[in-house]
Amino acid sequence: TQLLEQSPQFLSIQEGENLTVYCNSSSVFSSLQWYRQEPGEGPVLLVTVVTGGEVKKLKRLTFQFGDARKDSSLHITAAQPGDTGLYLCAGPNYGGSQGNLIFGKGTKLSVKP
Amino acid sequence: DAGVIQSPRHEVTEMGQEVTLRCKPISGHDYLFWYRQTMMRGLELLIYFNNNVPIDDSGMPEDRFSAKMPNASFSTLKIQPSEPRDSAVYFCASSRSGAQYFGPGTRLLVL
Repeated sequence: TQLLEQSPQFLSIQEGENLTVYCNSSSVFSSLQWYRQEPGEGPVLLVTVVTGGEVKKLKRLTFQFGDARKDSSLHITAAQPGDTGLYLCAGPNYGGSQGNLIFGKGTKLSVKP
Repeated sequence: DAGVIQSPRHEVTEMGQEVTLRCKPISGHDYLFWYRQTMMRGLELLIYFNNNVPIDDSGMPEDRFSAKMPNASFSTLKIQPSEPRDSAVYFCASSRSGAQYFGPGTRLLVL
C-alpha cells in the first residue's frame, strides 16, 4: 500500500525564520505534487516534481525530489504570515487509474508576525 | 475560468436528514473527484469519475453515500440518512491531467 508520511505534523514559527517540511514514502513515485491549503479554502497546487534529484524554486519556496523518488522536501526561506496554511504532498496512486492521487496528511504551518 | 464551484458552502442538518452536495467542475476537465477532509483522517478520496463514469468508489464509507455525474458539468454527492460522524469538509476537484483543481469545499455539520 502506498503511503505518504509528512512531518512535522504541526509547525509554529516566527516571521523571518526558515523551515523545512518533509514528505516520505517507502514506495517509488513517478512524480510528487505539493499543495497549500489556506483556512476555509481548498488545496492549491504549488509545484510538481518529476525527476529524481530535481530542485524547483518558487520565490522563497524550494522543492526537492529525492534521488530515489521516494521522498520530497519543501524549504521556505524567511517565512511570512502569508505562508500560513496546510502543506500537502500527493503522488499518483498506482492501484488506481490515471489521475488518481494519494495525499499525505499534511504539515500545518503557522507563521506569527 | 471560474474554477471548481461547490454548493452549498455550509450545511447544518439533523441526524437522519438527506444531504446533497453539488459540484461544477472546470470546463474541459475529464476527471472529477470527491474528497472528505477531517482533522483525524486528513483528505480521503471518496469516489472519482472519468468522462462522467464512476471509476473507483472504494472510498465511499457505506451505502448511505452515493454520487452521480449526469453530465460533464455537474456532479452530486448524497448522504442519506446523515449521521453526526459524517461531519467534515467535502471537496470536489477536477483534473485534465495530473494536477487537481479543488473547489472551496462544503462544510457539513450533522447534529
